[in-house]
Amino acid sequence: EVHLVESGGGLVQPGGSLRLSCADPGSTFSGYWMSWVRQAPGKGLEWLANIKQDGSVKYYVDSVKGRFTISRDNAKNSLYLQMSSLRAEDTAVYYCARVGVCGYCFDYWGQGTLVTVSS
Amino acid sequence: QTVVTQEPSFSVSPGGTVTFTCGLSSGSVSASDFPSWYQQTPGQTPRTLIYNTNTRSSGVPARFSGSILGNKAALTITGAQADDDSDYYCVLYMSSGIWVFGGGTKLTVL
Repeated sequence: EVHLVESGGGLVQPGGSLRLSCADPGSTFSGYWMSWVRQAPGKGLEWLANIKQDGSVKYYVDSVKGRFTISRDNAKNSLYLQMSSLRAEDTAVYYCARVGVCGYCFDYWGQGTLVTVSS
Repeated sequence: QTVVTQEPSFSVSPGGTVTFTCGLSSGSVSASDFPSWYQQTPGQTPRTLIYNTNTRSSGVPARFSGSILGNKAALTITGAQADDDSDYYCVLYMSSGIWVFGGGTKLTVL
């Protein structure tokens, strides 16, 4: 059973950095593209980044390019999002999601981790 | 910049039918954009409803269906129930490797 669990959220000052993790101990994590999606308070979902199964291909939304880096460690069944130069508008719940057997859709989601950027 | 459009809100009576759409600010949505739909109640994780335009995810009731209507993707709920009162998001896969979510539609069942 797939069970994605995010961690690493918290309060960070503007301009600061944070690394989010997403672990899935029990699944065939390495066989899937993985994504990060966020949701600002009271707002809609925003796709942020994708990473291929072997980590060789990555895509980002323009608003985080150059500031956020997606990576993965298949040996640890873990996905990461390194965030830097954080801004108030990055305040959101961050979800990891699996690009699943459905092809081009997100079939499993983590419970989310809250990142608050504030001084 | 690609913008995916959704109606901000809809209301439907229990037992009624409602259709949400998912369009592009410039151009048409087609099956090759692989539209998928997600349901989210406040404070909860999104739930996958429909993928590849019209395939229901496992466990999703048959009252949910997806299609292409004209130049947009569409999600139809036939026989709405009280627990369908949620936010609904579509997402399109762009050939450039990125995904774009619509702004979401808030459905009220009353």
